Amino acid sequence: DVKVTQSSRYLVKRTGEKVFLECVQDMDHENMFWYRQDPGLGLRLIYFSYDVKMKEKGDIPEGYSVSREKKERFSLILESASTNQTSMYLCASRKPTRGGGQPQHFGDGTRLSIL
Amino acid sequence: AQTVTQSQPEMSVQEAETVTLSCTYDTSESDYYLFWYKQPPSRQMILVIRQEAYKQQNATENRFSVNFQKAAKSFSLKISDSQLGDAAMYFCAYRSLGSNSGYALNFGKGTSLLVTP
Repeated sequence: DVKVTQSSRYLVKRTGEKVFLECVQDMDHENMFWYRQDPGLGLRLIYFSYDVKMKEKGDIPEGYSVSREKKERFSLILESASTNQTSMYLCASRKPTRGGGQPQHFGDGTRLSIL
Repeated sequence: AQTVTQSQPEMSVQEAETVTLSCTYDTSESDYYLFWYKQPPSRQMILVIRQEAYKQQNATENRFSVNFQKAAKSFSLKISDSQLGDAAMYFCAYRSLGSNSGYALNFGKGTSLLVTP
């Protein structure tokens, strides 16, 4: 089975701090994604990465950046955390295939609180 | 971007009964994928079922089946013989085959399913 591991289940940080959320997958997947989940809003895409050192903005990239130096690891960075970034963050990975039918596999999520 | 709408924020079903969760989407594309994901209280999102738009036959996975109506842009999930373990948030998701999106998913806002004994 695919394993997507997010480094923290719960995280509390202060306004203005630089915050790193880490995600590691063990199945050699090229595609990786960061979503934000808020009640009543579903999941919204922050950034995604086709492959190593590649990154693309999603629907809500403002206030975030990402890093993909190794294939298995995709980091989400909050440059200067703000209270409106308090949320659940979900990482996902996927193996691209001809036809595009492969699903995404998700981590357990990180519940981030910014005080 | 494609819009996915789940019109039922909450649903309730008794054990052993059948429940249908609705999902509609908006797209101008002819080929795409649709998914239902389940997120139990433990939070890990897991795939329930997927449907390829070019396939007319509705997908089925054990007690889970879909009613895919391409012309109506509707993709409902039917859960038969509901079990307590089916209680979760269910998300409908759309994926374009276009490479610009990086094959990211467009999610609906979710339906919270309660299963009562």
